[in-house]
Amino acid sequence: KQEVTQIPAALSVPEGENLVLNCSFTDSAIYNLQWFRQDPGKGLTSLLLIQSSQREQTSGRLNASLDKSSGRSTLYIAASQPGDSATYLCAVGSTYGGATNKLIFGTGTLLAVQP
Amino acid sequence: DGGITQSPKYLFRKEGQNVTLSCEQNLNHDAMYWYRQDPGQGLRLIYYSQIVNDFQKGDIAEGYSVSREKKESFPLTVTSAQKNPTAFYLCASSTLLLAGAPGELFFGEGSRLTVL
Repeated sequence: KQEVTQIPAALSVPEGENLVLNCSFTDSAIYNLQWFRQDPGKGLTSLLLIQSSQREQTSGRLNASLDKSSGRSTLYIAASQPGDSATYLCAVGSTYGGATNKLIFGTGTLLAVQP
Repeated sequence: DGGITQSPKYLFRKEGQNVTLSCEQNLNHDAMYWYRQDPGQGLRLIYYSQIVNDFQKGDIAEGYSVSREKKESFPLTVTSAQKNPTAFYLCASSTLLLAGAPGELFFGEGSRLTVL
């Protein structure tokens, strides 16, 4: 069974710091991995999608990497700002057990960027 | 603007009542999904649909029902059989890749259901 873990559950950093969020998964047979942002009481906003054949994706100050062999993805946020404060979730598209039609979500990392 | 619209944003239900949550998308996506989010837990899949008039159970389908009569619409009914319905419900849609795998997921703003 595919399991997705995000550590730490919460992170607080001062404004301007570069930071890394981690996502681990137990089964390397994935077809993609997606990072989302969720503000309190809101839906999820897609940040980056990495296909299984890719190693990384970049969008602005965000960079996501994927290492299938080690079962890890990282989301790098450069020059953090208070507006980056939110919960960040990763979701793995897995073929485990033949179920290709859904994503497995981690429980998220709550990020607070202090001004 | 293209996107996913969920309504209502907040809903209160008395025990024993069925309620229906609306989800509409204008992204021309083939696949639509319903997720449930509870504090401290990851999103859990309730139902999904890849084509009109067809849908599949997810991990926690008991006590829920759906329909997909139009490509744009995927309403979720929370029935009285759902024992713990108070939660945040999220609708999503995506294109479909080869072999039916979902592409990038786009979410609505969510509906918060509270049982009184």
